[in-house]
Amino acid sequence: GQNIDQPTEMTATEGAIVQINCTYQTSGFNGLFWYQQHAGEAPTFLSYNVLDGLEEKGRFSSFLSRSKGYSYLLLKELQMKDSASYLCAILTGGGNKLTFGTGTQLKVEL
Amino acid sequence: NAGVTQTPKFQVLKTGQSMTLQCAQDMNHEYMSWYRQDPGMGLRLIHYSVGAGITDQGEVPNGYNVSRSTTEDFPLRLLSAAPSQTSVYFCASSYSGYNGYTFGSGTRLTVV
Repeated sequence: GQNIDQPTEMTATEGAIVQINCTYQTSGFNGLFWYQQHAGEAPTFLSYNVLDGLEEKGRFSSFLSRSKGYSYLLLKELQMKDSASYLCAILTGGGNKLTFGTGTQLKVEL
Repeated sequence: NAGVTQTPKFQVLKTGQSMTLQCAQDMNHEYMSWYRQDPGMGLRLIHYSVGAGITDQGEVPNGYNVSRSTTEDFPLRLLSAAPSQTSVYFCASSYSGYNGYTFGSGTRLTVV
């Protein structure tokens, strides 16, 4: 099976940078996703890492180390609208199975 | 292009009733999945499918049945609803898995 750990809650200040960590244990790793979910809404895709290293997309970056079973999501220039839950998810089974962590609730304050 | 469509958006059932949650996608995606989301538990995989006629169990399959007769549709059936099945249900689909899953807007189910 899979085991995915991420912090339950984080608080950061508008305009700052925040890093959300995710550690995992799994077999048959096919990649790691980060999703954003606002309250009462569906999760939306943020990033995908399958190789070690950093993927940058605007204000969002995601890092992966497969040997350490570790990833992080970096959010820069935080805005109030970034207050949401951030979900780390592992892809296995040749791409047909996506398993989620419990999510990190980020609160952005003035 | 509507994406992933789930119906109904809200439903209240009495214990023991049966119902089907509908999920349809118009993106020609082979991979489809059903999740339930409960406070503090995250998204948990119920059943998934890699194409028409092929389904498999996820993490929490008990109490739920699925079938995949067409590429577009992946309904989730509750045969005898229980209060423990009160949750928000999300359907998701993907072309290959590697390009990410697109989620429907969810069905909020309450079993009393």
